[in-house]
Amino acid sequence: AQTVTQSQPEMSVQEAETVTLSCTYDTSESDYYLFWYKQPPSRQMILVIRQEAYKQQNATENRFSVNFQKAAKSFSLKISDSQLGDAAMYFCAYREDSGYALNFGKGTSLLVTP
Amino acid sequence: NAGVTQTPKFQVLKTGQSMTLQCAQDMNHEYMSWYRQDPGMGLRLIHYSVGAGITDQGEVPNGYNVSRSTTEDFPLRLLSAAPSQTSVYFCASSYNQGPNTEAFFGQGTRLTVV
Repeated sequence: AQTVTQSQPEMSVQEAETVTLSCTYDTSESDYYLFWYKQPPSRQMILVIRQEAYKQQNATENRFSVNFQKAAKSFSLKISDSQLGDAAMYFCAYREDSGYALNFGKGTSLLVTP
Repeated sequence: NAGVTQTPKFQVLKTGQSMTLQCAQDMNHEYMSWYRQDPGMGLRLIHYSVGAGITDQGEVPNGYNVSRSTTEDFPLRLLSAAPSQTSVYFCASSYNQGPNTEAFFGQGTRLTVV
């Protein structure tokens, strides 16, 4: 079974600064997809960014970008110019190319301070 | 467009009671799934369905039953609730297993078993 590890239970960043959330995963597959989801206090799960393993270029979505290192099985999320609204729980998730289910890490709670 | 709708949003049950958590999607998605979220554990897959009439077990299926009689609905049944089933439950759906398929989540049901 694939496992997803988020080694930082909590992180803190000042407003306007940059923060990086770590994620590593274990798989024997060559094609798969990686995701970062944001869960604010409302509980809603919001897709932040996705990466396809066969694409070497790192995905970016506005202030959010990833550092995807396939050989190291690492998928970190960088949030630039942090805003108070970025405070949330962030989950890293993995999905096989041929699968439907998402395997989630345990999450990182991000606190943004003024 | 309602997306994925879960009802109820909150529920308190007594040990041994039964209930059904409802999930409906209006996006004609093939794939639907149920997750439970516990503190420090991330989201874990309970059951999933790849189409009407087809269901399968996920990582933590014990104590839960599902059925998929229509494309739109995927209810989760607790036959005899136990305190260990106190959790937040999420239903998710996606169109297929393609590379750009995004999982859409409901807003969750917070269940407390006393």
